[in-house]
Amino acid sequence: GAGVSQSPRYKVAKRGQDVALRCDPISGHVSLFWYQQALGQGPEFLTYFQNEAQLDKSGLPSDRFFAERPEGSVSTLKIQRTQQEDSAVYLCASSFLQNTEAFFGQGTRLTVV
Amino acid sequence: GESVGLHLPTLSVQEGDNSIINCAYSNSASDYFIWYKQESGKGPQFIIDIRSNMDKRQGQRVTVLLNKTVKHLSLQIAATQPGDSAVYFCAENTGTASKLTFGTGTRLQVTL
Repeated sequence: GAGVSQSPRYKVAKRGQDVALRCDPISGHVSLFWYQQALGQGPEFLTYFQNEAQLDKSGLPSDRFFAERPEGSVSTLKIQRTQQEDSAVYLCASSFLQNTEAFFGQGTRLTVV
Repeated sequence: GESVGLHLPTLSVQEGDNSIINCAYSNSASDYFIWYKQESGKGPQFIIDIRSNMDKRQGQRVTVLLNKTVKHLSLQIAATQPGDSAVYFCAENTGTASKLTFGTGTRLQVTL
């Protein structure tokens, strides 16, 4: 596709439920990022992939958060045992190389009830 | 759709005027800077970037100025249009880091 695609756009989860958020980056982009954006704030870094390698996961808030990109293309962010504080927009971005223009998807809005 | 930046600083300008949005960045080692525009319900959209070996870069209707001495970045939008209404974020990166660090954002409101 022409841009970064994320699905689902909206997800409502009951507290304690596991969720999986998908990101389809721009074809050929080596770098892939996940960010979390709380209401009224700027995006905050979660994790970074270069191809299939997860090179930085310093932003993941707890061990309930897990991300993978097994074939160096599509990525999945999984949140186990969701909590209310996990409610946010989860943004995926990709770039051709590290430290070049990053393109963002529209995000997945997660609401934990 | 949901509003982005409910409690952000707001800049209100009249249509046709020039807008200047400012940002103070935190890391003196940062060498790559980007301005993003975010409309409600959408992801951040790239506007313009600048590397630390430059102090000014121009795009279509937009100019970014970088002052490394005081760690300040600004975005100038010429002849502001209603479609420019959004929240604007600056972001910084260092050459050795993978992640962008975003500023707090400024809401731009364009009045007719």
